[in-house]
Amino acid sequence: GAGVSQTPSNKVTEKGKYVELRCDPISGHTALYWYRQSLGQGPEFLIYFQGTGAADDSGLPNDRFFAVRPEGSVSTLKIQRTERGDSAVYLCASSLTGLTSFHEQFFGPGTRLTVL
Amino acid sequence: AQSVTQLDSQVPVFEEAPVELRCNYSSSVSVYLFWYVQYPNQGLQLLLKYLSGSTLVESINGFEAEFNKSQTSFHLRKPSVHISDTAEYFCAVSLIQGAQKLVFGQGTRLTINP
Repeated sequence: GAGVSQTPSNKVTEKGKYVELRCDPISGHTALYWYRQSLGQGPEFLIYFQGTGAADDSGLPNDRFFAVRPEGSVSTLKIQRTERGDSAVYLCASSLTGLTSFHEQFFGPGTRLTVL
Repeated sequence: AQSVTQLDSQVPVFEEAPVELRCNYSSSVSVYLFWYVQYPNQGLQLLLKYLSGSTLVESINGFEAEFNKSQTSFHLRKPSVHISDTAEYFCAVSLIQGAQKLVFGQGTRLTINP
């Protein structure tokens, strides 16, 4: 079956512009996660959706970052007034959920964002 | 809060040699432990995990990791590496209860030389 897909694979933008990054999770996965991976670092958590709602957005660095998942499937990460420091690979992952059991997160290939 | 430290950013080894990638974590509550692998030009994949039970866990391609609670470590080992093991390896933790977001270490780049 299809894995997690992310579009675009690469995005180059200018400082101050607005960008949207899209994630298509595995069908049936109710949990969706966004992470950001800067060069030479491990992925850092940004936000977690359970269904349509953001269950944990504690990793969003500031109010320029926003994410939605209106129908509980596809999610869009939105970055306003981009800065050079936003340049990174943005990773999306999805999983099943359960209160007392671990569910493996499946990662997409990422979107490489470059802010000039 | 949880944190993960991978002590080596790069590990070069010769083919068929043993390797150990070190991982230490910090957490005030119980966590699950993971190793993820990222092969060149591919996405992150789960390599192995410790949830409970036996402290020694194994992957299908010969890697193993041992959970040591007293040393808060989860080192990854392989007795004999292959060229195909060249990749970046990430250690991660998540809470057992609550949101299962992953907290990753900085990664270790394993390079296998012939």
